[in-house]
Amino acid sequence: AQSVTQLGSHVSVSEGALVLLRCNYSSSVPPYLFWYVQYPNQGLQLLLKYTSAATLVKGINGFEAEFKKSETSFHLTKPSAHMSDAAEYFCAVRSNTGNQFYFGTGTSLTVIP
Amino acid sequence: GAVVSQHPSRVICKSGTSVKIECRSLDFQATTMFWYRQFPKQSLMLMATSNEGSKATYEQGVEKDKFLINHASLTLSTLTVTSAHPEDSSFYICSASDPRGTGDTEAFFGQGTRLTVV
Repeated sequence: AQSVTQLGSHVSVSEGALVLLRCNYSSSVPPYLFWYVQYPNQGLQLLLKYTSAATLVKGINGFEAEFKKSETSFHLTKPSAHMSDAAEYFCAVRSNTGNQFYFGTGTSLTVIP
Repeated sequence: GAVVSQHPSRVICKSGTSVKIECRSLDFQATTMFWYRQFPKQSLMLMATSNEGSKATYEQGVEKDKFLINHASLTLSTLTVTSAHPEDSSFYICSASDPRGTGDTEAFFGQGTRLTVV
């Protein structure tokens, strides 16, 4: 079964600093991995997804993630944090046997002015 | 792009009453939709898979008689919280993926419904 683990339920960075949100996956086959962002009282918005075409994936709002098979990781990064990046971030894996998505526990990002 | 619409965004109901939440796929026909529940500051917990024209598949621990799911058409799934109690208060989110897509096709999420049972 596939699963993802997010290390760090809360991350605080200064405005302009590097953002690094960690996600590790567990899968016996190449996984379909995604990062979503959630603002308060809203649904989830896709940031980026791993498509197997490239290990470095660029998403919206300046975010990117690198798929590292050797580390079973798919960490999310952004070179320079903006105040508007403060939100909840979820790493997710899609089931290979269906359309279900399974989410990590989420990381709350705080950006300090 | 594909859009999933969820209604209502907020609902307050009295304990013992039932509440229906709708989830619509606007740009594609969804043979399956998913219902999630999210507690404050926590992740999304998959409750059930809604299957068009057949019974929903519930995750372990989810009461099927409490959370009734109906997927009567290819664009609409409904979740009815029956005999609601304060402990059912939560944020409910639906999602769907375009079945024409490949394995890396993302899930599209509704805006969520904040249910408060008083």
